[in-house]
Amino acid sequence: SQQGEEDPQALSIQEGENATMNCSYKTSINNLQWYRQNSGRGLVHLILIRSNEREKHSGRLRVTLDTSKKSSSLLITASRAADTASYFCATDPIYGKLTFGQGTILTVHP
Amino acid sequence: ETGVTQTPRHLVMGMTNKKSLKCEQHLGHNAMYWYKQSAKKPLELMFVYSLEERVENNSVPSRFSPECPNSSHLFLHLHTLQPEDSALYLCASSQARTGKQETQYFGPGTRLLVL
Repeated sequence: SQQGEEDPQALSIQEGENATMNCSYKTSINNLQWYRQNSGRGLVHLILIRSNEREKHSGRLRVTLDTSKKSSSLLITASRAADTASYFCATDPIYGKLTFGQGTILTVHP
Repeated sequence: ETGVTQTPRHLVMGMTNKKSLKCEQHLGHNAMYWYKQSAKKPLELMFVYSLEERVENNSVPSRFSPECPNSSHLFLHLHTLQPEDSALYLCASSQARTGKQETQYFGPGTRLLVL
């Protein structure tokens, strides 16, 4: 079964609102990464958070990691239409390979 | 833009054709990957090369044959594919360290349609 699973599967919001996506995983990890994919294109790395970190910021992005709950969240603040994309979490388990979840499709309406 | 290029960007092939996908990375990385992305499925890791040696083959059918002639180039040779092989094929590279997977940099992908 998948290591990382995102929730919700799809999210539709208005420009200016915040978007929150969640990721749950099953085994212990070295790090967790978030990627973004515009329709039909390659993935772009957004942020990496290590297992000993609890929160990380990058511009309008805020990622949290709760290793006790085996979960992470990605918050995009003040969303823009250009943020419309699919967002994936990828977990780097201590024993195993980088594994991607199924993704959250985010639509930001102008 | 990411330093990883893929050609062709689109490919249509018949089930009896032989074609190759090419990936090139300009980042000085030591690991390269092939992924398959089908509609409504998670990204599937197909092959991993580290220091030009194949270190992972995820039970991929033999009609897919990878080749890594040097650390900058990766090929995926396709032969006698099936319609269900139609998908977006993504190449990625990273500077892998022992036991750890760091950030991967992806190419734009090749959209493959098998008729």
